[in-house]
Amino acid sequence: EVQLVESGGGLVQPGRSLRLSCAASGFTFDDYAMHWVRQAPGKGLEWVSGISWNSGSIGYADSVKGRFTISRDNAKNSLYLQMNSLRAEDTALYYCAKDSLLDYSGSYPDYWGQGTLVTVSS
Amino acid sequence: QSVLTQPPSVSAAPGQKVTISCSGSSSNIGNNYVSWYQQLPGTAPKLLIYDNNKRPSGIPDRFSGSKSGTSATLGITGLQTGDEADYYCGTWDSSLSAGGVFGTGTKVTVL
Repeated sequence: EVQLVESGGGLVQPGRSLRLSCAASGFTFDDYAMHWVRQAPGKGLEWVSGISWNSGSIGYADSVKGRFTISRDNAKNSLYLQMNSLRAEDTALYYCAKDSLLDYSGSYPDYWGQGTLVTVSS
Repeated sequence: QSVLTQPPSVSAAPGQKVTISCSGSSSNIGNNYVSWYQQLPGTAPKLLIYDNNKRPSGIPDRFSGSKSGTSATLGITGLQTGDEADYYCGTWDSSLSAGGVFGTGTKVTVL
């Protein structure tokens, strides 16, 4: 059974940093691309970032480009999201999601974690 | 802001059928596969349809997907109270700001 467990969320002041983690199990982690998708309270889904199986291909939404960094450690079956210069509009539930293919571009998430809440407020 | 437009809400009685539209452009739906997700209250999204019209194992055939040009449609037949949820379409956008995109979301209410 595919399991994705996010952690690292919390309350942070504007301008500060936070690092999210996602522990994956139940599948061969390095056979698939991964994504981060967020959902602001009461709002819809927003794709944040994707990373290919070997980290060779990485992409970001314009809203986070230059501030967020996605990475993965295949030896630890883990996905990360380093979030710098956080803004109030980054407040959301952040989901880790597994892709169905090796590369994330043009593909789709097929399994999602339960999310970790990030609140940016002074 | 979502680049894929969905109706905010649809409703029908149990046993009836609903359809949800998802409108995009040539840079997204027009040239990429569409997927659909169901988000029950307080839970994570769940994949319902991928590659426009394919169902993952375990998804009942009451759920169907189609695509024509720059629009896609999700159909739900034999509506059940357990189908009350938010539904999102998703695809890839191949424009300069390439990335994943989702629809605005549609709330399905079973009357």
